[in-house]
Amino acid sequence: QSALTQPASVSGSPGQSITISCTGTSSDIGGYNYVSWYQQHPGKAPKLIIFDVNKRPSGVSNRFSGSKSDNTASLTISGLQAEDEADYYCSSYTTSGTLIFGGGTKLTVL
Amino acid sequence: QVQLVQSGSELKKPGASVKVSCKASGYTFTDYAMNWVRQAPGQGLEWMGWINTKTGNPTYAQDFTGQFVFSLDTSVSTAYLQISSLKAEDTAVYYCARDRSRFSYWGQGTLVTVSS
Repeated sequence: QSALTQPASVSGSPGQSITISCTGTSSDIGGYNYVSWYQQHPGKAPKLIIFDVNKRPSGVSNRFSGSKSDNTASLTISGLQAEDEADYYCSSYTTSGTLIFGGGTKLTVL
Repeated sequence: QVQLVQSGSELKKPGASVKVSCKASGYTFTDYAMNWVRQAPGQGLEWMGWINTKTGNPTYAQDFTGQFVFSLDTSVSTAYLQISSLKAEDTAVYYCARDRSRFSYWGQGTLVTVSS
């Protein structure tokens, strides 16, 4: 199964908002509301920032939000900060009972 | 607090095997599934599969059959990933991560380097 499709890179200035898309199929994103998003800084383990499409774990800033429409999920980061510069990965549970990640998006804060 | 602590970096020659451990603490080990995720240098995350910590039954992703084996020792709350017949392209950081549809907790990662 191919990875979910994410843009390779996005950028924004401090204070702006950016959105990262994650496109799959009806067998993954479109099939369940089990989409998660992870933030990964260089040399660190990924950190869960959104789960079940639009829920935030305790302690995660409300500047991070998630949504889904059909086979595409989106992560929006508002009020960009320098510390948001990182790689972002989406993931989805699949109808086969497996899990699939997106290819990752590098966010640059200008 | 929940912690997943993995074993240290490994340097192996092609054809060798390696066993990576992931020791869990701060929760009941058998209450949550354990997953394994690979990240090759400069690349993205790849889900390798998961193991049911109640039954020991593993499920492998399509690209991770044959060479990879998940196992458990519930007496010490530890999950293991064994990789055999190592090749240069197996060089990567391997992570354990807890739960099924979302990974709230991750190990720190284990770098496995395969080089002659």
